[in-house]
Amino acid sequence: NAGVTQTPKFQVLKTGQSMTLQCAQDMNHNSMYWYRQDPGMGLRLIYYSASEGTTDKGEVPNGYNVSRLNKREFSLRLESAAPSQTSVYFCASSAGTWGDGNTIYFGEGSWLTVV
Amino acid sequence: AQSVTQLDSHVSVSEGTPVLLRCNYSSSYSPSLFWYVQHPNKGLQLLLKYTSAATLVKGINGFEAEFKKSETSFHLTKPSAHMSDAAEYFCVVTQSRTNKLIFGTGTLLAVQP
Repeated sequence: NAGVTQTPKFQVLKTGQSMTLQCAQDMNHNSMYWYRQDPGMGLRLIYYSASEGTTDKGEVPNGYNVSRLNKREFSLRLESAAPSQTSVYFCASSAGTWGDGNTIYFGEGSWLTVV
Repeated sequence: AQSVTQLDSHVSVSEGTPVLLRCNYSSSYSPSLFWYVQHPNKGLQLLLKYTSAATLVKGINGFEAEFKKSETSFHLTKPSAHMSDAAEYFCVVTQSRTNKLIFGTGTLLAVQP
């Protein structure tokens, strides 16, 4: 009954360091997403993958890269972390595209602090 | 372009009293609308969704929402608040042309004993 699992849950980075957030879903979903959540701004889409083998930019892609490793896994990489990337990151997945009302399921979040 | 506005950033109610969390949307197309709840240090959980079927949508934990096209609203209600309802609530609309989700900025619900 895992759903969407993301790791690590907490991470502190120094400016300029790199790291990868891992995400896996066990619901056989086609679409996967990475969001960031900042106070007073709701959730903003960083990147998404509508299906295995495809990735697209969201609202705030700068400073991030993603890899859709297979149908289950979708990773988010920070190549050179900056304090502005301090945030809570959520991975999510859905069976299909948004337009037909597919429910999006979220992981429990990764708290990232860049000092 | 689609957008969503949550009219209250904070709402405080007493346990056992009704809850009303307000959401207005803007959409050029027939939208899909969702309410998600987020408890502290947790991910987002779907409460309910509207996808052009019945305008009154019932969700989990006694919540419901009514889609009113004439008022472009999708307010979330619950007849009687419980302490466990204290959380942040997000209204979400789909952006039909690009199939992306647009999140409101959230409403923090406090429930007083």
